[in-house]
Amino acid sequence: QVTLKESGPALVKPTQTLTLTCTFSGFSLSTSGMRVSWIRQPPGKALEWLARIDWDDDKFYSTSLKTRLTISKDTSKNQVVLTMTNMDRVDTATYYCAREAYYYDSSGYYYGWFDPWGQGTLVTVSS
Amino acid sequence: SSALTQDPAVSVALGQTVRITCQGDSLRSYYASWYQQKPGQAPVLVIYGKNNRPSGIPDRFSGSSSGNTASLTITGAQAEDEADYYCDSRDSSANHYVFGTGTKVTVL
Repeated sequence: QVTLKESGPALVKPTQTLTLTCTFSGFSLSTSGMRVSWIRQPPGKALEWLARIDWDDDKFYSTSLKTRLTISKDTSKNQVVLTMTNMDRVDTATYYCAREAYYYDSSGYYYGWFDPWGQGTLVTVSS
Repeated sequence: SSALTQDPAVSVALGQTVRITCQGDSLRSYYASWYQQKPGQAPVLVIYGKNNRPSGIPDRFSGSSSGNTASLTITGAQAEDEADYYCDSRDSSANHYVFGTGTKVTVL
């Protein structure tokens, strides 16, 4: 059974750096093809993808946030860490990590989806 | 544009059928996945690929796609289906992701 759980501070001040940890079980990020993403959701708003890290340490970031984000992994601890610098009140959100499952069919067509998701952790930015 | 547009809200009578749509250019290249989110809970995958349901998802949930529009249909909606529903897709590289604006489904 695959599970993920986010952890980190519930409250950060504006301009501070946020560090979140996703601890997972049921798979290894050293296994070929594995991917984990971070996704956030401001209160009452839609989901927003933030970043992804792959088994081979490839990293991808949201275009609008890439200057503020860093994603990393600790395979031995089964953890993925996301840091976000220069936090602002608009970054108040529930932050989720999720595993991406995907495959390419015989025609090379890509199919991907996020499953499962962690329970999420609410981060409030306030002075 | 990679944006995915959904109707903000739809309502359906108990036991009736409702279709939720998701529109965006990226859907011409990628199949959408669909997620159900109940208040205070994390999203849960309900449809992926062409029209696949994860284990435990009732068969009243189905997906389809045509052109730049993906659809999630709930046939015989139940009270427990009342939730927000989000679609997602990828950009041309498949390495960046976009979610829909979300649809709130109310079961009357």
